[in-house]
Amino acid sequence: DTGVSQDPRHKITKRGQNVTFRCDPISEHNRLYWYRQTLGQGPEFLTYFQNEAQLEKSRLLSDRFSAERPKGSFSTLEIQRTEQGDSAMYLCASSSGFGVRGTQYFGPGTRLLVL
Amino acid sequence: GENVEQHPSTLSVQEGDSAVIKCTYSDSASNYFPWYKQELGKRPQLIIDIRSNVGEKKDQRIAVTLNKTAKHFSLHITETQPEDSAVYFCAASLTSGTYKYIFGTGTRLKVLA
Repeated sequence: DTGVSQDPRHKITKRGQNVTFRCDPISEHNRLYWYRQTLGQGPEFLTYFQNEAQLEKSRLLSDRFSAERPKGSFSTLEIQRTEQGDSAMYLCASSSGFGVRGTQYFGPGTRLLVL
Repeated sequence: GENVEQHPSTLSVQEGDSAVIKCTYSDSASNYFPWYKQELGKRPQLIIDIRSNVGEKKDQRIAVTLNKTAKHFSLHITETQPEDSAVYFCAASLTSGTYKYIFGTGTRLKVLA
């Protein structure tokens, strides 16, 4: 499968714990996005990387959230001191650039449940 | 701020009938409009997209129309089949900068056999 992959697919954690998710984009894609999706809603933009540079962060991304893409390939999203309101599906998407190649392809998501 | 409204939130049609889902965007600079289909527990999959330099695009049973003046775009599915049942999301984006997508809230389409 050469699509976007995410790990883990499901995560259950207790409030106050830290969690980390991983996203592996399509190999030639230099742009990587994180979105959050709650039940009954569309995905909401969290942050964007072009290669290893994090170029935009949403106001939704509190200081408990941090994302990295150290070598411009895979990315990690860490949530510290999780809260019940963090429960959601975290989606990663990648694209290869601009114009017709700018279409974003999504991974299967990591579903987080904070108890 | 940037916003995309999507209607209806749920839509039930008889197999073979047409379905229409409508979206309105707020940022007049938006110039790329993808539509995604998301089946239960699965990733969003692109089904069709349109850029602001065209008014309509068709791909077999699926078509999208765009009215830039009114900031409206719509998804049309003809001859619906049970496998079309899913949640459909519209989105708006700029083809510059980050290209982040602003999504609508989704339409749950149910095709009744």
